[in-house]
This record gives sequence, C-alpha cells and structure tokens, in this order.
Amino acid sequence: GQNIDQPTEMTATEGAIVQINCTYQTSGFNGLFWYQQHAGEAPTFLSYNVLDGLEEKGRFSSFLSRSKGYSYLLLKELQMKDSASYLCAPMDSNYQLIWGAGTKLIIKP
Amino acid sequence: GAVVSQHPSRVICKSGTSVKIECRSLDFQATTMFWYRQFPKKSLMLMATSNEGSKATYEQGVEKDKFLINHASLTLSTLTVTSAHPEDSSFYICSASSGRESDTQYFGPGTRLTVL
Repeated sequence: GQNIDQPTEMTATEGAIVQINCTYQTSGFNGLFWYQQHAGEAPTFLSYNVLDGLEEKGRFSSFLSRSKGYSYLLLKELQMKDSASYLCAPMDSNYQLIWGAGTKLIIKP
Repeated sequence: GAVVSQHPSRVICKSGTSVKIECRSLDFQATTMFWYRQFPKKSLMLMATSNEGSKATYEQGVEKDKFLINHASLTLSTLTVTSAHPEDSSFYICSASSGRESDTQYFGPGTRLTVL
C-alpha cells in the first residue's frame, strides 16, 4: 500500500529552527512536494524534490533521500505566521499525489 | 505566477439543490485540473482529475453523476454538486497544473459548502 508518516503535531518557539520529518511508501516515485496549509485555507506550494539532497529556498529547505523513503522540511527563523499544517506529498508512478493528514506546527512566542 | 482562483468561496444551500463551483487558472494554461474534498482535520481526498476537452477521471467511491465536472477550456473547470445533501458539506478545493505529469499543482483558495 501507499502511506505517509509524519508527526501529528509539533511545537516550536518563535525565532528557532524546526525540522518536520516525513517517511513514505509509494508505488513508484516521481518526486515529493511540501505544502503549507493554514487552518481553513487551501494548501500553498512550498517545495519539490525529485533528486536526493537539499533544496534551499529562503527560510525553508527541503531534503530528500529516495533510498530511505525519507524527506524533511526545515524551517528557520520561525515566525508566528508559520503556524500551520505542513503536508508531505510524494508523487507515485501514476503521477498522483499521495496525501497524509500533515503535521500541525504550533509556534509559541 | 501560478494563481488559481475559485468561486464562490462560501456557499450555503438547501438540501436537494445543485451548486456549481468554478476553478480558474489566471496566469497559466491548466491542462490538468484536480478536485479535492477535505473534511476538518483530515487529509485531502482526491475526487477527480480532469483534462481539458476530455471526460474527468473519478476516484473510486466518487459518484460521477452526483459530482459533475466540466473542463471546457485551458483555464476553467467547474464542479457541480447535484442534489446536495448535508453529508456533502465540506471544503472543496481545486488545483491546476500546466500539464507535464510531474508539474506542481497550484491550489485555489477553496469553497466551503454547507448544505442545510
């Protein structure tokens, strides 16, 4: 079967760094997306990794290890507005995104 | 770039009526559009995938006669919830991609449907 494993909830402090881990199992693999979703809103695209390694984009970085079925999203210099759910979505062999429930990140002052 | 709009953002309707939701890609041509449903604190559930000019592909368990999808142009797809019932109340979200299979899906802001 296909599945995604992310922590349900994480808490971090404003200004700090947090790493959200994701392990996945899919039928085939065509890359992995990270999306941010604020409560009551639709997801917004953050990053896409298809090759192993780290992709850096401002305060956000995403890492992929295909052999381990593992990815993480690293958020630096946390701001209160970063409080949201973060969705790890691998793409399977049919180019379909596989969605989990995501990780709810709570930022405290 | 990559802006997707959705209309209406909220709709309340009576049971038995039909509701149409529009999804538009504003600054790119969306060869493929996706329709999702999301219940509170649950993951996104793909309902159907539509390609411009062809019939939508529905996921297992999604009634095609109840959720009518039309993708008439490269910038517009519509979802019509026919004979809506309270259990259809949900957050409906569309996404669009430019068509290469691994292309990023960009999401519309979503439509919150409440059926009384």
